[in-house]
Order: sequence, then C-alpha cells, then structure tokens
Amino acid sequence: ILNVEQSPQSLHVQEGDSTNFTCSFPSSNFYALHWYRWETAKSPEALFVMTLNGDEKKKGRISATLNTKEGYSYLYIKGSQPEDSATYLCASVNTGFQKLVFGTGTRLLVSP
Amino acid sequence: GAGVSQSPRYKVAKRGQDVALRCDPISGHVSLFWYQQALGQGPEFLTYFQNEAQLDKSGLPSDRFFAERPEGSVSTLKIQRTQQEDSAVYLCASSLSSVSYNEQFFGPGTRLTVL
Repeated sequence: ILNVEQSPQSLHVQEGDSTNFTCSFPSSNFYALHWYRWETAKSPEALFVMTLNGDEKKKGRISATLNTKEGYSYLYIKGSQPEDSATYLCASVNTGFQKLVFGTGTRLLVSP
Repeated sequence: GAGVSQSPRYKVAKRGQDVALRCDPISGHVSLFWYQQALGQGPEFLTYFQNEAQLDKSGLPSDRFFAERPEGSVSTLKIQRTQQEDSAVYLCASSLSSVSYNEQFFGPGTRLTVL
C-alpha cells in the first residue's frame, strides 16, 4: 500500500443498520491514524486519533480499531441514524512529519 | 469557544485573477496547515506553519501558490494567476502543538471556483 485508501467509496443504509468502513494505509513509518466526519457545508470533525497497534476507541455508537502491522483501520457505526450521514475520512501521519495524508473518504447516507 | 474560521466561504474568480484566502486559527494554536480538496478526492496537504515559520511547503503545486503567517496567528493563502485546475475547497486546520498525533481542528473551507 503506497497511499491511504478507503472503501467503500459510498454506502447507503437504512436507519438502524450497523455498518463499517475500511481504511488502508502504508504500515512503514506509521505514526498515527486520524478519523474525521465531514458533513456538507460544515468543518471536518475529529472522531479519533489512534497510534497503538490493537487500539480500539469508542465514542457513542461509533468505534474504531487499528492494526498498524498490516496497515488498516475499521470504523464501525452501530444502529445508524440519519444524522450519521456524512463523509468519513481517514488520514495517516508518518514518523517525522506533521501533515495528514488523507484517503478519498466514504460517503454514508442513512435513510429514515 | 471559537473554532477555526475561514473567509471567504465561497470565491468565484476569473482565470488569471489573483485570490487571497484567509484562515483564523484557534487562539494559541502553534501549528497551522493548509489542504486542498479537489472534487472527488481527499484533502491534500499544501503547507505547514509552526508559529510564523513555514516548515513544510512541499505540497504547494506551483510557484503561483504562496502562504504566509507573519505573526504566528492568522494565515493567508494566495494564488496568483488562477487556473481552472485551482478550483477546489481549501481547508485550513490548526493544532495546539507540534506533536504529530495531536488533533487538527479544521475550518469549514473556502470553495474556490475558477471560470
């Protein structure tokens, strides 16, 4: 993996469904992984910053896991609600750098 | 408290025109970043400041792009002689310190359309 990749590109679920997205990133020189939630016309909102292999973080119905050895992270949303509709971005940070390297995002639409 | 603000929110420029985009970071934040998001892509890094020092400008796509943060707070991204390929959302982010895993707080972006 040379770039940060996210899948699927878009997802349409019904209210109450649980869903998950994947973020793949280069495992060499890895330092941190960030997840952001970005609603249209608003600022991207930080969800999680993860650094340790095997780490799992949770915020309400949203949780994330991290595997730094194989270079992937999963974001889970339990019981999706219409207000969860947004683009979910992941970004990696390499050792010695400050900049975020983003994937192209997963666009989630939750229908009532 | 106040978050990161950007102005203008929307800018339409004619090809060849110069534009200036402003970012007001969270007060006291040391680090400031500019990112460019083209349609259908993820945000891409442009440049990074630590206080007033521009420590990384490796992402600036051409010498038409110039950024400054003269007093270590407000930053301006200037694009000279705009081209259609400059059309994008320009995001600014600030961070409390220079530690790499610190959360970056984003502004709402400036959507630039070059006709």
